[in-house]
Amino acid sequence: DTEVTQTPKHLVMGMTNKKSLKCEQHMGHRAMYWYKQKAKKPPELMFVYSYEKLSINESVPSRFSPECPNSSLLNLHLHALQPEDSALYLCASSQANAEPTDTQYFGPGTRLTVL
Amino acid sequence: AQTVTQSQPEMSVQEAETVTLSCTYDTSESDYYLFWYKQPPSRQMILVIRQEAYKQQNATENRFSVNFQKAAKSFSLKISDSQLGDAAMYFCAYRGDTLIQGAQKLVFGQGTRLTINP
Repeated sequence: DTEVTQTPKHLVMGMTNKKSLKCEQHMGHRAMYWYKQKAKKPPELMFVYSYEKLSINESVPSRFSPECPNSSLLNLHLHALQPEDSALYLCASSQANAEPTDTQYFGPGTRLTVL
Repeated sequence: AQTVTQSQPEMSVQEAETVTLSCTYDTSESDYYLFWYKQPPSRQMILVIRQEAYKQQNATENRFSVNFQKAAKSFSLKISDSQLGDAAMYFCAYRGDTLIQGAQKLVFGQGTRLTINP
């Protein structure tokens, strides 16, 4: 099973709202990633948790806040977003063991629209 | 820093024919891993095929195969007997530096949009 699930599939929010995106995997992977993807562009890494330790892309604004309650769950908290934050947000997971077979598997994404 | 280049923004092919998508990369490493991901309009990034640089044999998954030329730093994807369901954006990716605790960075190319003509 290589399934990563994400909820919600679509989200529309105003600039003053607070919302959260959720991601879950049951593959026993120890690393989970958040990516932002604009139309016709490759995904850009925002955050990664591995063994509950966080690595941040320094260019990501503070209105995005990741949380990893346990190794199977990953949240992305959103607050005071801007219209340019509208994008597809992808979650991925990997074993984080540096083996040849260590591969990132992606969820279906959440389409976020900020009004 | 590693880079990945896909020089074909768009490609099209007739159904049942063969198409090759190009990818080149730059790295100073000798051991590394390369991937092709497919992203259909449904949006999910799906792993198509994986190649380990230390393996001389080209990877194959059913109708998908790669032509891996390590010296030329080239990693092209061949799709045989193209089907309508193959229509998607295809991203070439390099598994790069370790970010933290075994988690590794994926460096993506800009993507190639593949259209299948019936």
